[in-house]
Amino acid sequence: DGGITQSPKYLFRKEGQNVTLSCEQNLNHDAMYWYRQDPGQGLRLIYYSQIVNDFQKGDIAEGYSVSREKKESFPLTVTSAQKNPTAFYLCASTDISSYNSPLHFGNGTRLTVT
Amino acid sequence: DQQVKQNSPSLSVQEGRISILNCDYTNSMFDYFLWYKKYPAEGPTFLISISSIKDKNEDGRFTVFLNKSAKHLSLHIVPSQPGDSAVYFCAARAGGTSYGKLTFGQGTILTVHP
Repeated sequence: DGGITQSPKYLFRKEGQNVTLSCEQNLNHDAMYWYRQDPGQGLRLIYYSQIVNDFQKGDIAEGYSVSREKKESFPLTVTSAQKNPTAFYLCASTDISSYNSPLHFGNGTRLTVT
Repeated sequence: DQQVKQNSPSLSVQEGRISILNCDYTNSMFDYFLWYKKYPAEGPTFLISISSIKDKNEDGRFTVFLNKSAKHLSLHIVPSQPGDSAVYFCAARAGGTSYGKLTFGQGTILTVHP
């Protein structure tokens, strides 16, 4: 079954610690994205990558970092510089060879920082 | 600056009746619009989309209408079913940007009562 796997589903960290969220896809999509959802708000784009070893900042990249060493993987690191890290994080991918191909999402990681 | 707005946080509908979810946008560069459905603790799933060259797109019980002059789109669900109860997000993409670089509304919680 093709899809996007995010792990873990729930993650708890102490303030001041960096934490890395995993995202793996077997859809053979070139482009991958990280979005963040907060209560009562829409999804906001953190980072995206359209090709291996290349990525761009989204609207709220401050305090986050990413890498794209493999096509299938796009991990997100939430650093201690992120002021409000507690949120629901969603990874997504899309087929850029097909115009207007929709974004496919994983089931998310809920990060709680105390 | 909220470029995509869903002004109704919630909507309650009786089973079998029509559900109409609304979305307004401000950015004239948006040329592709999508609706996503989301259950708690899961990632959004793609429902239906529409290009700015059309004013209507239909897929089974779901129809999306686009009024470019009013910068307004709506999603009609007929007939509504209890399984449709979820959060619905509208999203928009500006022409010439990465396919997955979407701007989302805040979401509308739809509840369909049996």
